[in-house]
Amino acid sequence: DAMVIQNPRYQVTQFGKPVTLSCSQTLNHNVMYWYQQKSSQAPKLLFHYYDKDFNNEADTPDNFQSRRPNTSFCFLDIRSPGLGDAAMYLCATTEGQGGTYEQYFGPGTRLTVT
Amino acid sequence: TQLLEQSPQFLSIQEGENLTVYCNSSSVFSSLQWYRQEPGEGPVLLVTVVTGGEVKKLKRLTFQFGDARKDSSLHITAAQPGDTGLYLCAGASNYQLIWGAGTKLIIKP
Repeated sequence: DAMVIQNPRYQVTQFGKPVTLSCSQTLNHNVMYWYQQKSSQAPKLLFHYYDKDFNNEADTPDNFQSRRPNTSFCFLDIRSPGLGDAAMYLCATTEGQGGTYEQYFGPGTRLTVT
Repeated sequence: TQLLEQSPQFLSIQEGENLTVYCNSSSVFSSLQWYRQEPGEGPVLLVTVVTGGEVKKLKRLTFQFGDARKDSSLHITAAQPGDTGLYLCAGASNYQLIWGAGTKLIIKP
């Protein structure tokens, strides 16, 4: 089945220690998103790629970076995690060419910062 | 700035009761989507409404898009404990979504 996969599902890192979260998709969608979500709140968009074009939200901290080496994979790098970065990180995709822009989400990575 | 106001933010009711969740905006959206999210999982798309006045039904869930495509509602009939979760509405603007704040729904047996 076509899907969005995130690894790992749970990640524990130390304060200030860099961490990388990964996302892959078999949907062949043009657009990939990274969201941060905290307890029962709406997802907050960090950035997205339309093909190779990177789009950063204005309020995304510089501490967060992203890479998309090919259509299928996208990575979220947190250079120096702080306690406030503990959250669920969601990857999503959409087709990006017309249509209704429905987004397909991975299961998320729960990040804990100690 | 486009905003989507979702209400209520929290709802706890008994099994068998009916409920309605609302999403309102001053902006027009090309489509409006409803997602359901369970703890520890990503949101899952329930339905997309596109046409003003459109009504879609998914078993006991009824989704409506306002005539002006600025608002939407989700009505659940005879709620069951399995309906428990976070319900999110999102309006499509180009290829990005404007998210409501979410409604945390708890159905007590």
